[in-house]
Amino acid sequence: DGGITQSPKYLFRKEGQNVTLSCEQNLNHDAMYWYRQDPGQGLRLIYYSQIVNDFQKGDIAEGYSVSREKKESFPLTVTSAQKNPTAFYLCASSTRGPYNEQFFGPGTRLTVL
Amino acid sequence: GEDVEQSLFLSVREGDSSVINCTYTDSSSTYLYWYKQEPGAGLQLLTYIFSNMDMKQDQRLTVLLNKKDKHLSLRIADTQTGDSAIYFCAELSSNDYKLSFGAGTTVTVRA
Repeated sequence: DGGITQSPKYLFRKEGQNVTLSCEQNLNHDAMYWYRQDPGQGLRLIYYSQIVNDFQKGDIAEGYSVSREKKESFPLTVTSAQKNPTAFYLCASSTRGPYNEQFFGPGTRLTVL
Repeated sequence: GEDVEQSLFLSVREGDSSVINCTYTDSSSTYLYWYKQEPGAGLQLLTYIFSNMDMKQDQRLTVLLNKKDKHLSLRIADTQTGDSAIYFCAELSSNDYKLSFGAGTTVTVRA
């Protein structure tokens, strides 16, 4: 089956700890994205990558880091510098170019205690 | 970023039509999308419309686009309980190919 997987579905961490969220896709998509979703605020773009070994900051990159060493994988690290990390995190992928249908993973709900 | 606005809640009776409205600000938008999100899940693309179109129909879904007023709507005919979800409007900027999402409209279908 082709798709995007995110793991784990639920994640709990203590304040001050870094945590890495996994995102893998087997759709052969060049572009991958990380969004944060908070109630009543829609989706906000954290980081995106159009191609392997390259990525750009989105609208709310502070306190987050990413890597794109493989086409299939785009892990997101939530660092201790992120002031309010508790949220629902969504990963997506798409082909490059003007028609940008993004396919979403099931999401990871991160709770920082 | 660009601003995409939607009303936050809509309650509709089963069997009636639902209309979800959205306004956007980026006049260079190429594609506009409607996504559906069920509780605790990711987003699923429902339909999209290219900016040179003014209407698109896909089974129970009808999308209307008014470019002059930068207004997009999604009509769901014969609304069912399975249509209860959050619906997001999104626009694709032709400048950087990034999506901007609205806050989402929570649709509740009542019997």
